[in-house]
Amino acid sequence: GENVEQHPSTLSVQEGDSAVIKCTYSDSASNYFPWYKQELGKRPQLIIDIRSNVGEKKDQRIAVTLNKTAKHFSLHITETQPEDSAVYFCAARTSSASKIIFGSGTRLSIRP
Amino acid sequence: DTGVSQDPRHKITKRGQNVTFRCDPISEHNRLYWYRQTLGQGPEFLTYFQNEAQLEKSRLLSDRFSAERPKGSFSTLEIQRTEQGDSAMYLCASSSSTGRNIQYFGAGTRLSVL
Repeated sequence: GENVEQHPSTLSVQEGDSAVIKCTYSDSASNYFPWYKQELGKRPQLIIDIRSNVGEKKDQRIAVTLNKTAKHFSLHITETQPEDSAVYFCAARTSSASKIIFGSGTRLSIRP
Repeated sequence: DTGVSQDPRHKITKRGQNVTFRCDPISEHNRLYWYRQTLGQGPEFLTYFQNEAQLEKSRLLSDRFSAERPKGSFSTLEIQRTEQGDSAMYLCASSSSTGRNIQYFGAGTRLSVL
């Protein structure tokens, strides 16, 4: 069935360094890949997304890359700041209407 | 707050009781989704509506679970004869079929079954 694997489950980086989170998906029909950030006790919030016709997308300190052949996609956060500490979820969707399949999350901690 | 709202935010119940949660989507959104999230995991899809029609249900949604969206606006999720394994955060999301169809999440209802 549809599955999204996410690694690592926890990540600790020094403030100012970069953080990379990697995901793989199983359904080759997936065509939309959002990333959500969830702070403790709060709702998941979309931070960036990428569609299958694009290989890379950047928004300030956040970038996402997609390799459709390998069914891999990654989140890159540069110049990390304390407010980047949260749980990050990758996800995949196969059509414009269908459910989102989420990864299991990465708890990112930024060390001062 | 004009985002997705959920009520109640917390619910404590005894095993065997019925509970009902409500979700109010963003007003112009015609799609509404229910997810369940347990500690340390990503949200898992439960069911999805387009307007008032329930178009997809997960195998996770046992016979004890029922969802409705009678007027195509707010939705309710009912769990009958609750079990301890039902304890989780129940998240609602909404999206519009026009544009980018981004799903926006509510803050969730945390259910604890004692």
